[in-house]
Amino acid sequence: GNSVTQMEGPVTLSEEAFLTINCTYTATGYPSLFWYVQYPGEGLQLLLKATKADDKGSNKGFEATYRKETTSFHLEKGSVQVSDSAVYFCALNGPGNTGKLIFGQGTTLQVKP
Amino acid sequence: EPEVTQTPSHQVTQMGQEVILRCVPISNHLYFYWYRQILGQKVEFLVSFYNNEISEKSEIFDDQFSVERPDGSNFTLKIRSTKLEDSAMYFCASSEGGRRTDTQYFGPGTRLTVL
Repeated sequence: GNSVTQMEGPVTLSEEAFLTINCTYTATGYPSLFWYVQYPGEGLQLLLKATKADDKGSNKGFEATYRKETTSFHLEKGSVQVSDSAVYFCALNGPGNTGKLIFGQGTTLQVKP
Repeated sequence: EPEVTQTPSHQVTQMGQEVILRCVPISNHLYFYWYRQILGQKVEFLVSFYNNEISEKSEIFDDQFSVERPDGSNFTLKIRSTKLEDSAMYFCASSEGGRRTDTQYFGPGTRLTVL
């Protein structure tokens, strides 16, 4: 079945550092790919998505490209801020054309001033 | 901006008791979901609901679980007889459509603690 693997955290960076959080997937068919973010004490918020191969999703300085050849959807940001400290989840649809989401285990990012 | 709301934020119950978790999805959305996250583990899909019917459910969603849209605005998850292993954060989500490209919007979650 469809699955997602994320790099283990926590990831600790200094402010203005470059961020990469790796995400790889296995899937049948053509799922959409998503990054959700969970700030402390809050629910999951969609950060960005890509719905087909080679699409790039971007939002708030974050970006990720849907790479079918490497089955990856790595999250990047050029210069992180303390306010980016959160848990980041990579997700994709389940098999078939359904909305069901399958999540990775989440990666905690801590940005220090 | 419209948002999904959930009540209560934290529910404590005794093993064997029934609990009902409540959600108010975004008003023009037609598809509704429940997910759960046991502490330290992945967010897991439980069930999807459309047109007053379950459209998909996971193996976790056994006979102890049920969902309902009782009044056109609320969407509830009932656990009939809670077990210790039901302790988790439960997230409700909604989307306009049920396709793979549709974005799901999540509520803040209800933390269920079963003693």
